[in-house]
Parts: sequence; C-alpha cells; structure tokens
Amino acid sequence: DIQLTQSPSSLSASVGDRVTITCRASQSIARYLNWYQQKPGKAPKLLIYAATTLQSGVPSRFSGSGFGTDFTLTISSLQPEDFATYYCQQIYTAPLTFGGGTKAAI
Amino acid sequence: EVQLVESGGDWVQPGKSLRLSCAASGFTFDHYAMHWVRQSPGKGPEWVSGISWNSGNIAYAGSVKGRFTISRDDGKNSLYLQMNSLRVEDTALYYCVKDMDDYVWGSYRSAFESWGQGTLVTVS
Repeated sequence: DIQLTQSPSSLSASVGDRVTITCRASQSIARYLNWYQQKPGKAPKLLIYAATTLQSGVPSRFSGSGFGTDFTLTISSLQPEDFATYYCQQIYTAPLTFGGGTKAAI
Repeated sequence: EVQLVESGGDWVQPGKSLRLSCAASGFTFDHYAMHWVRQSPGKGPEWVSGISWNSGNIAYAGSVKGRFTISRDDGKNSLYLQMNSLRVEDTALYYCVKDMDDYVWGSYRSAFESWGQGTLVTVS
C-alpha cells in the first residue's frame, strides 16, 4: 500500500498568514494526489485534485504543487474559515489512501 | 444538486452482518464511480471500497477485503455495502461518496467530489 506522510501534524497560525502543508508519498504517484478540508462534524470537502487543479468554487488562496513523491498545499492568506484539518489522498492505485492529516488552529 | 443519503447504520455485535445503502440523486448515477469511506471518532478518513461506473472495476481496503462487498443498482440510483463478520474496529461513520470520474483509481479526475452525511455503525 502507498503510505502518505503529512507534515506538520498540527500548526498554529494567525489570520493573514501564509501556510504550507506537505505530503510525501512512499512511492512515486505522478500527480495522482488530492487535497481535502474537513471541519468538525462535517464531511471532507475537495479542494484540489490532480495535485494542482483547484476544484470549482474553492477560493484562489488555496493552491497545490508537486509531482512524484513530494506535494504541497499552500494557503496564501489564512482566513478565519480556513481553520480546519487538511488531508491528502492518493488515487494512483488501490487501496486508495489518505494522509494522517494536518490540523490548522489559531 | 447532488444528494447522497446513507442508511442502514446500527449497533451490532461482533461477527454479525449489516447492509448499508446510499440513495443518490441530482446527477446521472451510472456515469460515475462511487465509494464508501469511513471515519472513526478523532481519526482521519479511511477509504473502504470503490466501484466503477459499470461495476467492472471494484477494489477494497485490505482491512475489509473478504468481509465487505460493494455493489450498485443503477436502475435504483443506489449504492450498497454488505458488511459481514463485523469487528469492533469497523465501528465508524460510513460515508457514501461520488467520484468525479468513472473509474476507481488511475485518472487525474479521480477525486471524492460529493459526500453524504454518513451513517453510524457501532460494533460492540
């Protein structure tokens, strides 16, 4: 199975900060990497697919980069509604797997 | 608007069976892959199983392989998960999920686009 390691597992930031979350795959997965945001009591929400493509309706302050084994989710200017937990996911092959999550808090 | 409504969650004893259902609406159901994803309290999401648009491509997580069976009925716009030999560690909120693409993996458009509200399975 492909393992996804996210770092950091948690971060403390302020409104307006630039935030970067990384996701490392245990083997090359090209661009088969998605990012999700989850708030307490809610289902995850798709932010970015294919490593760099912004899902429709997602604010442009979110961006993704990377290829192969190393990927990054960046929030250019953190907003109050962005405090949540973020997960990466690989869809290169089954079993599909998620990273352990990064919790963004104040 | 896409709607996914899960049902069938319950409390059961270890070793017993349960069948989850998902009623889908608001999109052309037989054009898309569908998945089940579960999440235990305080933990991250765990993909359980996926099925392609034509049921020709099916996959399972190793933790449920041989015990769970995914299926779909396109005439009823419904997705199912038959869960046998349930274990305590299967306790979780189970989500029905619509993919952006028609296959389970290996496409740059494969992504979990829409999620239901979940149905709770408790095994104890």
